[in-house]
Amino acid sequence: SQTIHQWPATLVQPVGSPLSLECTVEGTSNPNLYWYRQAAGRGLQLLFYSVGIGQISSEVPQNLSASRPQDRQFILSSKKLLLSDSGFYLCAWKRVPTEAFFGQGTRLTVV
Amino acid sequence: AQSVSQHNHHVILSEAASLELGCNYSYGGTVNLFWYVQYPGQHLQLLLKYFSGDPLVKGIKGFEAEFIKSKFSFNLRKPSVQWSDTAEYFCAVNAQKTSYDKVIFGPGTSLSVIP
Repeated sequence: SQTIHQWPATLVQPVGSPLSLECTVEGTSNPNLYWYRQAAGRGLQLLFYSVGIGQISSEVPQNLSASRPQDRQFILSSKKLLLSDSGFYLCAWKRVPTEAFFGQGTRLTVV
Repeated sequence: AQSVSQHNHHVILSEAASLELGCNYSYGGTVNLFWYVQYPGQHLQLLLKYFSGDPLVKGIKGFEAEFIKSKFSFNLRKPSVQWSDTAEYFCAVNAQKTSYDKVIFGPGTSLSVIP
């Protein structure tokens, strides 16, 4: 069966520090991968998605970037965190034409 | 571009009341539609999905949803809610047969069920 791992579960980082959130998927190959940010009352905002290694589509301009160095690994990064980067980040995978499956999420607090 | 709207931000019901949560999407082509649920402290789970065929789909825990193509709607229903249905509900749309594969979510509806 397929599983998705996302870590860390919680993270407190100072303003200006770098960020690296990692997501890996097991039990499937060539998944489409997604990073979302969840904010209260705003649902899940799609940040990045990837249909293959090295292929990244950015949905909203921001202080974050994403990379896909391996087929089942998706990384969310920032060189210098802002206060506004605080939030709940979710990784997801899907195959066409199935539904998306989500990780447990990372609560990021920038202080 | 795809977008999803949900009619209610917060719904409060008593146990045994009927539930209907509205969802509308904007996209001119073929879509796959989903309802996800997030119980307090838990991760997102799929309630039900529509890909094709019968527009009335049944999901887990007694939920169902009806796809009305002419109205671009995919409303979620349950005839009798329970306290355990208290959660955040998200409608989502996935455009089919395009050069990409995005899943766009609505803003969510928070459901509180009073015992």
